[in-house]
Amino acid sequence: DADVTQTPRNRITKTGKRIMLECSQTKGHDRMYWYRQDPGLGLRLIYYSFDVKDINKGEISDGYSVSRQAQAKFSLSLESAIPNQTALYFCATRAGTGVNQPQHFGDGTRLSIL
Amino acid sequence: SQQGEEDPQALSIQEGENATMNCSYKTSINNLQWYRQNSGRGLVHLILIRSNEREKHSGRLRVTLDTSKKSSSLLITASRAADTASYFCATGNSGNTPLVFGKGTRLSVIA
Repeated sequence: DADVTQTPRNRITKTGKRIMLECSQTKGHDRMYWYRQDPGLGLRLIYYSFDVKDINKGEISDGYSVSRQAQAKFSLSLESAIPNQTALYFCATRAGTGVNQPQHFGDGTRLSIL
Repeated sequence: SQQGEEDPQALSIQEGENATMNCSYKTSINNLQWYRQNSGRGLVHLILIRSNEREKHSGRLRVTLDTSKKSSSLLITASRAADTASYFCATGNSGNTPLVFGKGTRLSVIA
């Protein structure tokens, strides 16, 4: 979905480095999400945000932090990367109105930690 | 934790055949959604079915929902090679609860 842009698309880094993954959206959605995808495990929720002042932990938030800089921007940070954080990371957005709304995903960041 | 569990994990069919994927979930839901993921890309929303609906159609897609059995199925009719992708179900509860995704079914359509 070109309306949800993730940067970088690919990143290789070393253990212990601090990494920031960025997500920006032009859909005007209030809600934004960060997921990681591992083979055979599907998508697991890391953090989510309903608006600029609202941040919530997901299923697997340990080792990660987020920042909602504006309605359109939601960044994910790995403070000190470790190899088992190697995964495909996705950002998603959703309109805040109504229960039955779909999520819109970016094309992901493939992160490899050596 | 995953709420939805897709079955089968992988499915391989010939072009023109129908593909059926199933999703089971554990708790009550407000809606169930199906997404497709092409290799190396993000998930794309396909169809949403509300808990008070039993069947829904969109083009070659047919989704059923049986809340008594806590299960849903996605049928793709007359499959094409371009339908090759992973398919995920996701369950939605209240408006403030994030969607919970299953582990997906990998569909391969052979031309």
